[in-house]
Amino acid sequence: GEDVEQSLFLSVREGDSSVINCTYTDSSSTYLYWYKQEPGAGLQLLTYIFSNMDMKQDQRLTVLLNKKDKHLSLRIADTQTGDSAIYFCAETSNNYGQNFVFGPGTRLSVLP
Amino acid sequence: KAGVTQTPRYLIKTRGQQVTLSCSPISGHRSVSWYQQTPGQGLQFLFEYFSETQRNKGNFPGRFSGRQFSNSRSEMNVSTLELGDSALYLCASSPDGTNTGELFFGEGSRLTVL
Repeated sequence: GEDVEQSLFLSVREGDSSVINCTYTDSSSTYLYWYKQEPGAGLQLLTYIFSNMDMKQDQRLTVLLNKKDKHLSLRIADTQTGDSAIYFCAETSNNYGQNFVFGPGTRLSVLP
Repeated sequence: KAGVTQTPRYLIKTRGQQVTLSCSPISGHRSVSWYQQTPGQGLQFLFEYFSETQRNKGNFPGRFSGRQFSNSRSEMNVSTLELGDSALYLCASSPDGTNTGELFFGEGSRLTVL
């Protein structure tokens, strides 16, 4: 079945950029997402990208998609302590129904 | 606008018991999905309901079941609980059930099986 992989941990210093990487196997993925989970909370959508796009920028967030390598990355500029959370990469093909495949999540720790 | 509401937030059960979890989606959302989150397996898709019909199902045993009511509220049930069922169960709703974007998640129901 489909699989999504991420590194589990990332530590950065406040003010630096963070880059969280993700690889996926489903070549029919149509939409790819980044969700954020803060302690004790559910997941919240940060951004998403269609598979026919290479890049999407939204304020401090930049998403890069390499469809040939099935590689997705999320760059957070000027990382703040409030960005400390778990970041999930997710994909879905354009099937009818909300069957998302999530990665294991990357725990981002921002050091002061 | 109220978010996705899940009840109960925390519960403790013993092996062999059964449990029912409830999810109220955002008003107007007709699709409700359920996910199991554990440290070892991450987020795994359980099932999705749309207009009272199960439209998609993950790879979980038949002990896991769900339903959706006419007001879009959903329940999931786990029978004959096992220790491995201890997890955070997340419900998510979306406006029309199509794969165009955002899932709106609740805070989850944390189930501990002793």
